[in-house]
Amino acid sequence: GAGVSQTPSNKVTEKGKYVELRCDPISGHTALYWYRQSLGQGPEFLIYFQGTGAADDSGLPNDRFFAVRPEGSVSTLKIQRTERGDSAVYLCASSVSGRQSSGANVLTFGAGSRLTVL
Amino acid sequence: GQSLEQPSEVTAVEGAIVQINCTYQTSGFYGLSWYQQHDGGAPTFLSYNALDGLEETGRFSSFLSRSDSYGYLLLQELQMKDSASYFCAVRGLSGGYQKVTFGTGTKLQVIP
Repeated sequence: GAGVSQTPSNKVTEKGKYVELRCDPISGHTALYWYRQSLGQGPEFLIYFQGTGAADDSGLPNDRFFAVRPEGSVSTLKIQRTERGDSAVYLCASSVSGRQSSGANVLTFGAGSRLTVL
Repeated sequence: GQSLEQPSEVTAVEGAIVQINCTYQTSGFYGLSWYQQHDGGAPTFLSYNALDGLEETGRFSSFLSRSDSYGYLLLQELQMKDSASYFCAVRGLSGGYQKVTFGTGTKLQVIP
């Protein structure tokens, strides 16, 4: 597609529920990032995919968070047993190959999915 | 790991010049980027430096000194619409791959 698409744009859920957030990156972008942003803060790194594999998942807060990218395109961030502290905007970004490439410095972000856990 | 520091807030007058500084720590440096984010919007790419020196893109310029682990974003002829948060981001090595880590952001307020 022309840009990075994220759905849903807004999600309100109750504490303890399961949520899935979807990201459709720019066609041909092999690198995909998930970030979490709270009000007044910078994007906090969660996980980075290079193709289908998670190259770095060191930012996932705990084992309630999991992300997949089975075909190297669309990615889904999954959060189990949501807690109020999970409330934030979840941002997805993509770029050309994350290897030795100047284009890998240019991340294109989606509009984000705002998650509110009541 | 990777970390970045930048001022939390800056105020400048319309038409003036403002410089936003960023220092970083990373293993295996591959580039320093700058992003702009308006309230309620997504970050958008402004500029990046992989080598030392100044990169100019219209009213915005970005500078890098790899030996000092330091960079800055220079905004000239400030306009009211430049009021936004600005983030520096470093691309460095992590687990054999390159990942991009963001700073906490500098909120720029442009006043008349």
